[in-house]
Amino acid sequence: AQSVTQLGSHVSVSEGALVLLRCNYSSSVPPYLFWYVQYPNQGLQLLLKYTTGATLVKGINGFEAEFKKSETSFHLTKPSAHMSDAAEYFCAVSGYNQGGKLIFGQGTELSVKP
Amino acid sequence: NAGVTQTPKFQVLKTGQSMTLQCAQDMNHEYMSWYRQDPGMGLRLIHYSVGAGITDQGEVPNGYNVSRSTTEDFPLRLLSAAPSQTSVYFCASSPIAVPYEQYFGPGTRLTVT
Repeated sequence: AQSVTQLGSHVSVSEGALVLLRCNYSSSVPPYLFWYVQYPNQGLQLLLKYTTGATLVKGINGFEAEFKKSETSFHLTKPSAHMSDAAEYFCAVSGYNQGGKLIFGQGTELSVKP
Repeated sequence: NAGVTQTPKFQVLKTGQSMTLQCAQDMNHEYMSWYRQDPGMGLRLIHYSVGAGITDQGEVPNGYNVSRSTTEDFPLRLLSAAPSQTSVYFCASSPIAVPYEQYFGPGTRLTVT
């Protein structure tokens, strides 16, 4: 079985500060890991993904995440927050034999203060 | 390409009513899925389909039916709506080559009174 835990339902940072959103997963198969972003009243947009290969993956809007197998983590970071980054962020896990099924974490709402 | 489209955007139902949420995609994707989003619970998979004529249950299938007669369409039916089905519903599609790279529709906000 697979599961995802996002630590912190709400994170607040100042504009220009580091963004760190935490995600831990459990999976009985080699995981595929994803971060999605949801802006208010919109659908989900893929930020970045890890399937195989390099464990540090870069996504859109300056975000990146690192797959750490030993820690079963896939934390999302951005060096300098922008007001436009305010949104809800979801971590998700799948696997090569999962037929495209995604298991989502509960989400983390990011607020950016001026 | 319109991508993944969902109708309606908003719907209010009374308990016991039935309705169908529509989902269509124009990307010729084989995989399609329905999720519901509830506060503090993320998105949970309701039903999914790996191609026309093939559907399967996800994590929370009770109270919902689906069918897939064409590649493009994947409607979600509520046979007898309950207040517990008040939620935001998202449809997603993905190609068979990378089934985990899902494209999401804009969502349908459903309220059951």
